[in-house]
Amino acid sequence: EVQLLESEGGLVQPGGSLRLSCVVSGFTFIRHGMSWVRQAPGKGLEWVAGITGSGDDTYYADPVKGRFTISRDNSENTLFLHMNSLSAEDTALYYCAKMKSVMATATFFEDWGQGTLVSVSS
Amino acid sequence: QSVLTQPPSASGTPGQRVAISCSGSSSNIGSNYVYWYQQLPGAAPKPLLLRNNQRPSGVPDRFSGSKSGTSAALAISGLRSEDEADYYCAAWDDSLNGYVFGTGTKVLVL
Repeated sequence: EVQLLESEGGLVQPGGSLRLSCVVSGFTFIRHGMSWVRQAPGKGLEWVAGITGSGDDTYYADPVKGRFTISRDNSENTLFLHMNSLSAEDTALYYCAKMKSVMATATFFEDWGQGTLVSVSS
Repeated sequence: QSVLTQPPSASGTPGQRVAISCSGSSSNIGSNYVYWYQQLPGAAPKPLLLRNNQRPSGVPDRFSGSKSGTSAALAISGLRSEDEADYYCAAWDDSLNGYVFGTGTKVLVL
Protein backbone atom coordinates (compact mmCIF):
# COMPACT_ATOMS: atom_id res chain seq x y z
CA GLU A 1 0.00 0.00 0.00
CA VAL A 2 1.33 3.39 -1.02
CA GLN A 3 1.76 5.74 1.92
CA LEU A 4 2.87 9.36 1.92
CA LEU A 5 3.33 10.87 5.36
CA GLU A 6 4.07 14.58 5.62
CA SER A 7 5.83 16.01 8.64
CA GLU A 8 3.97 18.35 10.92
CA GLY A 9 3.79 21.89 9.57
CA GLY A 10 3.36 24.73 11.99
CA LEU A 11 3.08 28.42 12.67
CA VAL A 12 5.85 30.57 11.24
CA GLN A 13 6.41 34.30 11.40
CA PRO A 14 6.49 36.30 8.18
CA GLY A 15 9.97 36.19 6.71
CA GLY A 16 10.70 32.93 8.46
CA SER A 17 11.68 29.50 7.16
CA LEU A 18 10.35 25.98 7.46
CA ARG A 19 11.29 22.58 6.10
CA LEU A 20 8.61 20.03 5.26
CA SER A 21 9.35 16.37 4.75
CA CYS A 22 7.35 13.50 3.32
CA VAL A 23 8.30 9.93 4.14
CA VAL A 24 7.00 7.41 1.64
CA SER A 25 6.52 3.65 1.55
CA GLY A 26 4.84 1.00 -0.55
CA PHE A 27 6.60 1.77 -3.84
CA THR A 28 10.07 2.15 -5.33
CA PHE A 29 10.74 5.79 -4.54
CA ILE A 30 13.46 6.45 -7.12
CA ARG A 31 11.14 5.35 -9.93
CA HIS A 32 8.72 8.18 -9.37
CA GLY A 33 8.82 11.91 -9.71
CA MET A 34 7.34 13.79 -6.78
CA SER A 35 5.58 17.11 -6.26
CA TRP A 36 4.27 19.43 -3.62
CA VAL A 37 0.79 20.87 -4.10
CA ARG A 38 -0.80 23.36 -1.73
CA GLN A 39 -4.30 24.51 -0.91
CA ALA A 40 -4.95 27.75 0.91
CA PRO A 41 -7.88 27.63 3.38
CA GLY A 42 -11.12 27.47 1.43
CA LYS A 43 -9.30 27.83 -1.89
CA GLY A 44 -8.30 25.67 -4.82
CA LEU A 45 -5.26 23.56 -5.56
CA GLU A 46 -1.94 25.11 -6.55
CA TRP A 47 1.10 23.15 -7.75
CA VAL A 48 4.22 24.31 -5.93
CA ALA A 49 7.22 22.29 -7.10
CA GLY A 50 8.25 19.01 -8.71
CA ILE A 51 11.34 16.82 -8.85
CA THR A 52 12.32 13.87 -11.03
CA GLY A 53 12.99 10.42 -9.61
CA SER A 54 16.74 10.86 -9.70
CA GLY A 55 16.50 14.34 -8.22
CA ASP A 56 18.47 15.79 -11.13
CA ASP A 57 15.70 18.08 -12.34
CA THR A 58 13.41 20.38 -10.39
CA TYR A 59 10.54 22.64 -11.36
CA TYR A 60 8.87 25.49 -9.50
CA ALA A 61 5.73 27.61 -9.71
CA ASP A 62 6.47 31.29 -10.24
CA PRO A 63 5.16 32.42 -6.80
CA VAL A 64 7.76 30.28 -5.00
CA LYS A 65 10.76 30.47 -7.33
CA GLY A 66 13.85 31.60 -5.51
CA ARG A 67 12.24 31.03 -2.09
CA PHE A 68 11.39 27.32 -2.03
CA THR A 69 13.65 24.35 -2.77
CA ILE A 70 12.42 20.83 -3.43
CA SER A 71 14.81 17.95 -2.83
CA ARG A 72 14.80 14.25 -2.08
CA ASP A 73 16.85 11.59 -0.31
CA ASN A 74 16.30 8.37 -2.22
CA SER A 75 18.22 6.37 0.38
CA GLU A 76 15.73 7.48 3.04
CA ASN A 77 12.58 7.49 0.87
CA THR A 78 12.00 11.09 1.83
CA LEU A 79 10.92 14.19 -0.06
CA PHE A 80 11.65 17.67 1.25
CA LEU A 81 10.42 21.22 0.72
CA HIS A 82 12.61 23.97 2.11
CA MET A 83 10.63 27.19 2.39
CA ASN A 84 12.25 30.59 2.96
CA SER A 85 10.98 34.18 3.13
CA LEU A 86 7.50 32.99 4.00
CA SER A 87 4.56 35.34 3.78
CA ALA A 88 0.87 35.15 4.63
CA GLU A 89 0.19 34.12 1.03
CA ASP A 90 2.05 30.87 1.71
CA THR A 91 -0.45 29.81 4.37
CA ALA A 92 -1.92 26.56 3.10
CA LEU A 93 -2.29 22.83 3.48
CA TYR A 94 0.74 21.34 1.74
CA TYR A 95 0.30 17.97 0.04
CA CYS A 96 3.08 15.63 -0.98
CA ALA A 97 2.15 13.85 -4.24
CA LYS A 98 3.63 10.90 -6.10
CA MET A 99 3.81 11.23 -9.87
CA LYS A 100 2.83 8.38 -12.17
CA SER A 101 6.26 8.18 -13.81
CA VAL A 102 9.90 8.94 -13.07
CA MET A 103 9.36 12.30 -14.69
CA ALA A 104 7.99 15.31 -12.87
CA THR A 105 6.43 16.82 -15.97
CA ALA A 106 3.44 16.08 -18.18
CA THR A 107 2.19 13.21 -16.06
CA PHE A 108 -0.24 13.15 -13.18
CA PHE A 109 -0.44 13.10 -9.41
CA GLU A 110 -1.18 9.44 -8.76
CA ASP A 111 -1.16 9.35 -4.96
CA TRP A 112 -1.45 12.07 -2.34
CA GLY A 113 -0.56 12.45 1.31
CA GLN A 114 -3.06 13.83 3.80
CA GLY A 115 -1.43 17.23 3.88
CA THR A 116 0.26 19.33 6.51
CA LEU A 117 -0.83 22.82 7.51
CA VAL A 118 1.60 25.72 7.31
CA SER A 119 0.42 29.00 8.81
CA VAL A 120 2.38 32.20 8.35
CA SER A 121 1.39 34.88 10.81
CA SER A 122 2.86 37.24 13.36
CA GLN B 1 -2.87 31.43 -9.49
CA SER B 2 -5.15 29.35 -11.69
CA VAL B 3 -4.93 29.64 -15.45
CA LEU B 4 -7.63 27.07 -16.10
CA THR B 5 -11.16 28.40 -15.64
CA GLN B 6 -14.03 26.34 -14.26
CA PRO B 7 -17.51 27.32 -13.10
CA PRO B 8 -17.62 27.74 -9.29
CA SER B 9 -20.48 25.32 -8.86
CA ALA B 10 -22.74 22.82 -10.56
CA SER B 11 -25.72 20.96 -9.19
CA GLY B 12 -28.32 18.37 -10.01
CA THR B 13 -30.75 15.96 -8.48
CA PRO B 14 -29.93 12.27 -8.08
CA GLY B 15 -29.88 10.53 -11.44
CA GLN B 16 -29.31 13.69 -13.44
CA ARG B 17 -26.31 14.53 -15.57
CA VAL B 18 -24.00 17.43 -14.78
CA ALA B 19 -21.18 18.78 -16.89
CA ILE B 20 -18.20 20.86 -15.81
CA SER B 21 -16.15 22.89 -18.25
CA CYS B 22 -12.45 23.70 -18.06
CA SER B 23 -11.10 26.47 -20.25
CA GLY B 24 -7.39 26.93 -20.87
CA SER B 25 -5.02 27.99 -23.61
CA SER B 26 -2.77 26.64 -26.34
CA SER B 27 0.13 26.20 -23.91
CA ASN B 28 -1.73 23.91 -21.54
CA ILE B 29 -4.92 22.15 -22.61
CA GLY B 30 -4.22 22.88 -26.25
CA SER B 31 -0.98 20.88 -26.24
CA ASN B 32 -1.12 18.51 -23.28
CA TYR B 33 -3.36 15.95 -21.65
CA VAL B 34 -6.02 17.05 -19.21
CA TYR B 35 -6.46 15.30 -15.89
CA TRP B 36 -9.38 15.58 -13.48
CA TYR B 37 -9.20 15.24 -9.71
CA GLN B 38 -11.98 14.70 -7.20
CA GLN B 39 -11.66 16.09 -3.69
CA LEU B 40 -14.25 14.79 -1.25
CA PRO B 41 -14.98 16.95 1.82
CA GLY B 42 -12.08 16.88 4.25
CA ALA B 43 -10.00 14.56 2.08
CA ALA B 44 -6.98 14.78 -0.19
CA PRO B 45 -7.62 14.97 -3.94
CA LYS B 46 -7.51 11.79 -5.98
CA PRO B 47 -7.25 11.23 -9.73
CA LEU B 48 -10.62 10.83 -11.44
CA LEU B 49 -9.84 10.97 -15.17
CA LEU B 50 -6.49 10.56 -16.91
CA ARG B 51 -5.26 11.67 -20.33
CA ASN B 52 -8.47 13.55 -21.16
CA ASN B 53 -10.91 10.67 -20.76
CA GLN B 54 -9.42 7.53 -19.21
CA ARG B 55 -10.79 6.23 -15.93
CA PRO B 56 -8.39 4.80 -13.36
CA SER B 57 -9.29 1.46 -11.86
CA GLY B 58 -12.22 1.83 -9.49
CA VAL B 59 -13.75 4.94 -11.03
CA PRO B 60 -17.28 4.22 -12.24
CA ASP B 61 -18.17 4.74 -15.88
CA ARG B 62 -20.63 7.44 -14.82
CA PHE B 63 -17.63 9.75 -15.07
CA SER B 64 -16.47 10.72 -18.55
CA GLY B 65 -14.20 13.33 -20.05
CA SER B 66 -13.65 15.10 -23.31
CA LYS B 67 -11.29 17.65 -24.81
CA SER B 68 -11.56 19.94 -27.79
CA GLY B 69 -8.98 22.55 -28.65
CA THR B 70 -8.20 24.55 -25.52
CA SER B 71 -11.18 23.33 -23.49
CA ALA B 72 -12.10 20.18 -21.66
CA ALA B 73 -15.15 18.89 -19.89
CA LEU B 74 -16.08 16.41 -17.20
CA ALA B 75 -19.52 14.83 -17.22
CA ILE B 76 -21.15 12.95 -14.39
CA SER B 77 -24.17 10.93 -15.38
CA GLY B 78 -26.56 9.24 -12.98
CA LEU B 79 -25.59 11.70 -10.24
CA ARG B 80 -25.33 10.20 -6.77
CA SER B 81 -25.07 11.77 -3.34
CA GLU B 82 -21.51 10.51 -2.94
CA ASP B 83 -20.49 12.61 -5.95
CA GLU B 84 -20.75 15.76 -3.84
CA ALA B 85 -17.19 17.04 -3.97
CA ASP B 86 -14.87 19.59 -5.49
CA TYR B 87 -13.58 18.79 -8.96
CA TYR B 88 -10.40 20.19 -10.50
CA CYS B 89 -8.98 19.97 -13.99
CA ALA B 90 -5.22 20.11 -14.43
CA ALA B 91 -2.63 20.13 -17.20
CA TRP B 92 1.05 20.74 -17.78
CA ASP B 93 1.72 24.23 -19.15
CA ASP B 94 4.57 24.46 -21.67
CA SER B 95 4.95 28.23 -21.26
CA LEU B 96 5.01 28.24 -17.47
CA ASN B 97 6.98 24.97 -17.38
CA GLY B 98 4.75 23.80 -14.58
CA TYR B 99 1.38 22.32 -13.73
CA VAL B 100 -1.74 24.41 -13.69
CA PHE B 101 -4.99 23.56 -11.95
CA GLY B 102 -8.47 24.74 -12.67
CA THR B 103 -10.27 27.07 -10.30
CA GLY B 104 -12.35 24.18 -9.04
CA THR B 105 -16.06 23.34 -9.24
CA LYS B 106 -18.18 22.33 -6.28
CA VAL B 107 -20.80 19.77 -7.25
CA LEU B 108 -23.94 19.72 -5.14
CA VAL B 109 -26.51 16.96 -5.21
CA LEU B 110 -29.87 18.51 -4.45
